[in-house]
Amino acid sequence: NAGVTQTPKFQVLKTGQSMTLQCAQDMNHEYMSWYRQDPGMGLRLIHYSVGAGITDQGEVPNGYNVSRSTTEDFPLRLLSAAPSQTSVYFCASSRTLNQPQHFGDGTRLSIL
Amino acid sequence: EDQVTQSPEALRLQEGESSSLNCSYTVSGLRGLFWYRQDPGKGPEFLFTLYSAGEEKEKERLKATLTKKESFLHITAPKPEDSATYLCAVQGSQGNLIFGKGTKLSVKP
Repeated sequence: NAGVTQTPKFQVLKTGQSMTLQCAQDMNHEYMSWYRQDPGMGLRLIHYSVGAGITDQGEVPNGYNVSRSTTEDFPLRLLSAAPSQTSVYFCASSRTLNQPQHFGDGTRLSIL
Repeated sequence: EDQVTQSPEALRLQEGESSSLNCSYTVSGLRGLFWYRQDPGKGPEFLFTLYSAGEEKEKERLKATLTKKESFLHITAPKPEDSATYLCAVQGSQGNLIFGKGTKLSVKP
């Protein structure tokens, strides 16, 4: 089992560019989420999904979009990248909202 | 407002020197408290879930305990491979996880 797979692992963008961070899980988990991790701060929830076709906002959703067309995939889109979005992004999944989440190894994103 | 505070921010131990990490929380309707381990360049790895005050869970040299206001992660006779950042998270009535900033543990041989 691959678990939670995130691509790319590293990315450098220019301000104003858009991109999509990919997240896929092969555990048939219903709940998926995106976090960002910044130095000196805890993981913060960006968006989450409790199942295919259902998404909702977390603590820091501005500047990001998500969709969930399949159980396996949960991509995160940066609409117009800003330096404040420089961060490490983690995708996680769990069988349900109340189960422990499994994390991917992250995408390290730098925006110049 | 749901909140999680971890202390200390960093902890240096000698191999074999036991200690504890603290996670204090305020949350409306605790549904669960989670401990994760995070190695550099990796995603968090699940360790324990605690659901009610008085509950304890153990795994090798780690033991997690829970009260109504805080949780402790006790590390007994640590080894260098226990070096990592340990994250605490709570799940309140809203359902999503609120993470603390973590404790960075270094164990020297």
